[in-house]
Amino acid sequence: DQQVKQNSPSLSVQEGRISILNCDYTNSMFDYFLWYKKYPAEGPTFLISISSIKDKNEDGRFTVFLNKSAKHLSLHIVPSQPGDSAVYFCAASAQGGSEKLVFGKGTKLTVNP
Amino acid sequence: GAGVSQSPSNKVTEKGKDVELRCDPISGHTALYWYRQRLGQGLEFLIYFQGNSAPDKSGLPSDRFSAERTGESVSTLTIQRTQQEDSAVYLCASSLRQFNQPQHFGDGTRLSIL
Repeated sequence: DQQVKQNSPSLSVQEGRISILNCDYTNSMFDYFLWYKKYPAEGPTFLISISSIKDKNEDGRFTVFLNKSAKHLSLHIVPSQPGDSAVYFCAASAQGGSEKLVFGKGTKLTVNP
Repeated sequence: GAGVSQSPSNKVTEKGKDVELRCDPISGHTALYWYRQRLGQGLEFLIYFQGNSAPDKSGLPSDRFSAERTGESVSTLTIQRTQQEDSAVYLCASSLRQFNQPQHFGDGTRLSIL
């Protein structure tokens, strides 16, 4: 039973355009959501997070949107750069992030020059 | 460095052997987590330590898996009588015990069981 789903295994965009990565969840107890970026042979790197009391959080080129009624979140990267090419994992947690993270299977983003 | 440190980075062993993986969390982080990632999959939770509280072992896949942590420092994950399905990358993360604080990951131990 997958509680966090990333339905697109891969995404390819042109440099300078917007990348939109999507994530759906089923557990209504989740109240803290995170995006991690992962390069091969490295651990996941924390990118951005959002608490369930918000619907948007922005950090530079990265914005995360949360739609609680739809149990859906998305990560927007604008403008996309070739260095953004990596696997992006969506993760969710209950108890404000103090509990274990439940991860999606990841979306491989390729940004073409 | 100031990040989560894991050792060894790679481990190859024969089926049936025991292995021990080590994690040094970020200094001051009271919460420590172990996850594993099988090929092509997301990360699976294994076990969680928080200070002196009893660990949350709900993710351990079998009794061959165990983990220890002394205080708020180093943790070791032990797999006894390894099987081929144990082959995975084992990742450790640590975080501050506060709301809305992200977990920070090490680079993992790539375990291969022959």
